[in-house]
Amino acid sequence: DQQVKQNSPSLSVQEGRISILNCDYTNSMFDYFLWYKKYPAEGPTFLISISSIKDKNEDGRFTVFLNKSAKHLSLHIVPSQPGDSAVYFCAASTDSWGKFQFGAGTQVVVTP
Amino acid sequence: DAGVIQSPRHEVTEMGQEVTLRCKPISGHNSLFWYRQTMMRGLELLIYFNNNVPIDDSGMPEDRFSAKMPNASFSTLKIQPSEPRDSAVYFCASSFVGGGSPLHFGNGTRLTVT
Repeated sequence: DQQVKQNSPSLSVQEGRISILNCDYTNSMFDYFLWYKKYPAEGPTFLISISSIKDKNEDGRFTVFLNKSAKHLSLHIVPSQPGDSAVYFCAASTDSWGKFQFGAGTQVVVTP
Repeated sequence: DAGVIQSPRHEVTEMGQEVTLRCKPISGHNSLFWYRQTMMRGLELLIYFNNNVPIDDSGMPEDRFSAKMPNASFSTLKIQPSEPRDSAVYFCASSFVGGGSPLHFGNGTRLTVT
């Protein structure tokens, strides 16, 4: 049972424009959310996080928004750069052990 | 900081053989996680340890899979006997404490069972 869903398998965006990646979850007990970026043949690398007590967290070009009532989070990348081309995963956790469930990922392609 | 180190990077083996994947977590981290990535199921958690103790192995698919963490700097994931459906990329990750701390992943082991 997939409790974390990324319904868009791919996204193409022009360099300099905004990339918006979406993630939905079904478990209302999730209280911590992460976004990861993954290049081919490498492990996922941590991008940005948000806890359930916040609705927005910003780090440079990356902003994560959390809508608890809709059980939805999104990642905004502004401006998009060619190096942002990668697979992006959202992940969520309910417990203090750091046990995360991951979405299926969204492949982002940034075109010149 | 060398990051999480996994070996081997690639493993090709025949069905029925034993496979052992290795992981060295980041020094000072006290939690270690084994994930498997497949096209069908994405990234799924197999097992995780805290202070070298297995906390939850409910994601281990079958008794053919076993994992150990004999000390804070080393863990193994063993598949015996291996089957073609075990073909996947296996990731090890570590973190400090948990409680929402980000996971730091290794570069994975790509396993192919023929």
